[in-house]
Amino acid sequence: ETAVFQTPNYHVTQVGNEVSFNCKQTLGHDTMYWYKQDSKKLLKIMFSYNNKQLIVNETVPRRFSPQSSDKAHLNLRIKSVEPEDSAVYLCASRGWGGQDTQYFGPGTRLLVL
Amino acid sequence: GDSVIQMQGQVTLSENDFLFINCTYSTTGYPTLFWYVQYSGEGPQLLLQVTTANNKGSSRGFEATYDKGTTSFHLQKTSVQEIDSAVYYCAMSDYGSSGNKLIFGIGTLLSVKP
Repeated sequence: ETAVFQTPNYHVTQVGNEVSFNCKQTLGHDTMYWYKQDSKKLLKIMFSYNNKQLIVNETVPRRFSPQSSDKAHLNLRIKSVEPEDSAVYLCASRGWGGQDTQYFGPGTRLLVL
Repeated sequence: GDSVIQMQGQVTLSENDFLFINCTYSTTGYPTLFWYVQYSGEGPQLLLQVTTANNKGSSRGFEATYDKGTTSFHLQKTSVQEIDSAVYYCAMSDYGSSGNKLIFGIGTLLSVKP
């Protein structure tokens, strides 16, 4: 049962363009994340938001910026894409208290030409 | 710092073979340990998790024991099936000062031949 939704599924663009990816969760969770999954399937956290506030900002290039309008939405904007940004971007959410489980969306695959 | 080490990048088995994926972790805290599975075209989903040391987690025939002594959380399944073909990630929760996050291993691509 899908509860973390991501759009688009797939996006092809050229170097220098701006792209924006959307994520919405219907689980009522307070914390959301963005991960990057590279071609070797390595998963690395990029950002974490708790109730619209940024709490984790890993070392990512400044052209990446998360945007949150409310705790159910966490979007990702890339200002000027580079070839190395080609990857799958995964959104996830986590419950509160002692619930550690993160629930992932299906991902957005970005291809930069 | 905290880390998760998965040794096998790719494993190829036949149906009904025994599966063993090695995972060790390093931390100074008391983490929760997870196995996530990612099927083709989907995001990772929780397979099993264990919060307390020396406990075992199990799901869909998969098992993993949180062994604090050897700092391991190996994944096992007695008899794999073709539908188990996927990428398996060992992960550990990190309650650092920067907030809760998961640290993932490199992932193991399991291919099961019929």
